[in-house]
Amino acid sequence: DTEVTQTPKHLVMGMTNKKSLKCEQHMGHRAMYWYKQKAKKPPELMFVYSYEKLSINESVPSRFSPECPNSSLLNLHLHALQPEDSALYLCASSQDPGWSNYGYTFGSGTRLTVV
Amino acid sequence: EDQVTQSPEALRLQEGESSSLNCSYTVSGLRGLFWYRQDPGKGPEFLFTLYSAGEEKEKERLKATLTKKESFLHITAPKPEDSATYLCAVQEMEGGYNKLIFGAGTRLAVHP
Repeated sequence: DTEVTQTPKHLVMGMTNKKSLKCEQHMGHRAMYWYKQKAKKPPELMFVYSYEKLSINESVPSRFSPECPNSSLLNLHLHALQPEDSALYLCASSQDPGWSNYGYTFGSGTRLTVV
Repeated sequence: EDQVTQSPEALRLQEGESSSLNCSYTVSGLRGLFWYRQDPGKGPEFLFTLYSAGEEKEKERLKATLTKKESFLHITAPKPEDSATYLCAVQEMEGGYNKLIFGAGTRLAVHP
């Protein structure tokens, strides 16, 4: 299995809702990442998990809460989002948090719309 | 902080018309330069990793090269299916952990 699977593919939520994005990989990768991508912009790093521990938080607002229950799963919990948070949310993984010879494997993303 | 700049922003080619995309970077110590392809609404797809000046890698109609200050993605005899956004990224270390910093991308359209 050489894929990163993200669910759901599309999500529409109100500003008072609570929802979660899920990401799963079975490649034995020990680093996992959340990126946010606005239309026609490059992906921007949000969080890095290394060996299931949060290693980097790029000053992301607290309405985004990441969680790594085990080495294969990564969640992003969403609460009280704003319309400007609408974007494509990408999950990625890499073999080792300290070095990546083989690139990062990205999922297809969750298209989030906040209304 | 590492900077990644891609040019052109958009490129329109006729099928079979070869061209090159540019990625210039400023890093304190290069730990890898990555090329990705991204189709609309999809996640980036890994193409190449380059580590040292003079390194070259090829895949089908694509060839990536690296100098001390920039990388080129050469597209030879492109086909319409090569239409996509091509992203360049550098690997940066922060506190012992790596992360990718992306350029803005080049949107390539290949017309029959």
